[in-house]
Amino acid sequence: GENVEQHPSTLSVQEGDSAVIKCTYSDSASNYFPWYKQELGKRPQLIIDIRSNVGEKKDQRIAVTLNKTAKHFSLHITETQPEDSAVYFCAASTSGATNKLIFGTGTLLAVQP
Amino acid sequence: GAVVSQHPSRVICKSGTSVKIECRSLDFQATTMFWYRQFPKQSLMLMATSNEGSKATYEQGVEKDKFLINHASLTLSTLTVTSAHPEDSSFYICSAPGGPWETQYFGPGTRLLVL
Repeated sequence: GENVEQHPSTLSVQEGDSAVIKCTYSDSASNYFPWYKQELGKRPQLIIDIRSNVGEKKDQRIAVTLNKTAKHFSLHITETQPEDSAVYFCAASTSGATNKLIFGTGTLLAVQP
Repeated sequence: GAVVSQHPSRVICKSGTSVKIECRSLDFQATTMFWYRQFPKQSLMLMATSNEGSKATYEQGVEKDKFLINHASLTLSTLTVTSAHPEDSSFYICSAPGGPWETQYFGPGTRLLVL
């Protein structure tokens, strides 16, 4: 089955700096890669996703890149703000109605004001 | 976006009792829902896929007789933790795919504490 690895487990940056979180996946059939932000005690919130037919997607300060050949994808947050502090999870799945998500181990991002 | 609700939000029970958690898709129909468990400071671990009108599909290592799943309608899936023990204490979250891209929408989660 699919296995998703995520690095780093913790990341501390200064406000205004950029943050990068990287994930690798094992199943070449996976074609959907969402990123979730989870605040303490809350549900995961989708912040951006990418499908395998594109290599990059951007939404304001957030961008995701995908390298299908190497089976890795990354989250880039620019101009970080204290409210970006949370746990971020990457995930992978195949598209379709039974698209179960396999999550990475998570990255605790701390943005220091 | 699509809304998924869960009930209860938190529950405390005695060891040996059973607890039922409900997951509802409020403004869309979901033939498939997913149940995850999340221990403190850990990732979401998929427990099972709930299929409307048929048996759930359990992930390896998840006891189907302990975690009973019923998906009786297109908007409701239930997870029953039977004979709960302290080690079952966790954050249980459901999700359902919705919208044209079948994005996964998560419920708010249920925090279970077994004494």
